[in-house]
Amino acid sequence: NAGVTQTPKFQVLKTGQSMTLQCAQDMNHNSMYWYRQDPGMGLRLIYYSASEGTTDKGEVPNGYNVSRLNKREFSLRLESAAPSQTSVYFCASSEGYGVNPGYEQYFGPGTRLTVT
Amino acid sequence: LAKTTQPISMDSYEGQEVNITCSHNNIATNDYITWYQQFPSQGPRFIIQGYKTKVTNEVASLFIPADRKSSTLSLPRVSLSDTAVYYCLVGDSGTDKLIFGTGTRLQVFP
Repeated sequence: NAGVTQTPKFQVLKTGQSMTLQCAQDMNHNSMYWYRQDPGMGLRLIYYSASEGTTDKGEVPNGYNVSRLNKREFSLRLESAAPSQTSVYFCASSEGYGVNPGYEQYFGPGTRLTVT
Repeated sequence: LAKTTQPISMDSYEGQEVNITCSHNNIATNDYITWYQQFPSQGPRFIIQGYKTKVTNEVASLFIPADRKSSTLSLPRVSLSDTAVYYCLVGDSGTDKLIFGTGTRLQVFP
C-alpha cells in the first residue's frame, strides 16, 4: 500500500515548455487534489476532482489543466510554463467527495518544479 | 476570498504544552476544521479534526468555540520531534473552496 505517489520528484523547465505531473493513489479514494506551495507559504488549491470524470477549479487554477484519468490517477498539466509557476506541487486524496474538509486528506511527497 | 490566519511562528521547550490558534471568520456552516503537520520536504500529515467544542486524540486536542470562527490546536508535552509547521484547513462559505491557513512554524528547544 503505497498511498499517494507523485512523479517526477524534481523537474526543471524553461519558460514556455510544457509538462505533466502524475499522481496516483491506491486507497480507492473518491476525491483527488492538486496544491502548490510557494517558499514559506501555505498550500493553495489548484484543482480538485470530487469523483472520477469530474474536475473543478480551486483557488489558483490559471495556467494549469487537469485530467482525472480514472479513479486512481489525477494529472496536472502546465501547457506553457512560467517562472511564477516555480513551486512545490502536492497531490492529495481523500475518501470524501469534493472540498468538504470533513475527510482526512492523504498527501504525496511532492514535486519540486523550477521554471527558468 | 476568506482569510485564515495563524501566528507565523512559536517557540517552546520540551515538555511544555503548546497552543496554536487559527482564525477563520468565513467558515462554511457544515464544514469541519482540520489540522495538519508538515516536516521539511514532506507532504502535510493529518493531526486532528473537529466540528465544534472539543476533540481529543492520542497526539493532540482541538478546541472550537461556539461561533466556530477560530480553533486552537493543543499539543501536550511537546518533544523535539514536534518541530514542524502546523496548518489549519477549513471550508470557505463564500467560494465553496478549501482554505489552508498561513501555517505556524513551531520550534521546540531541549
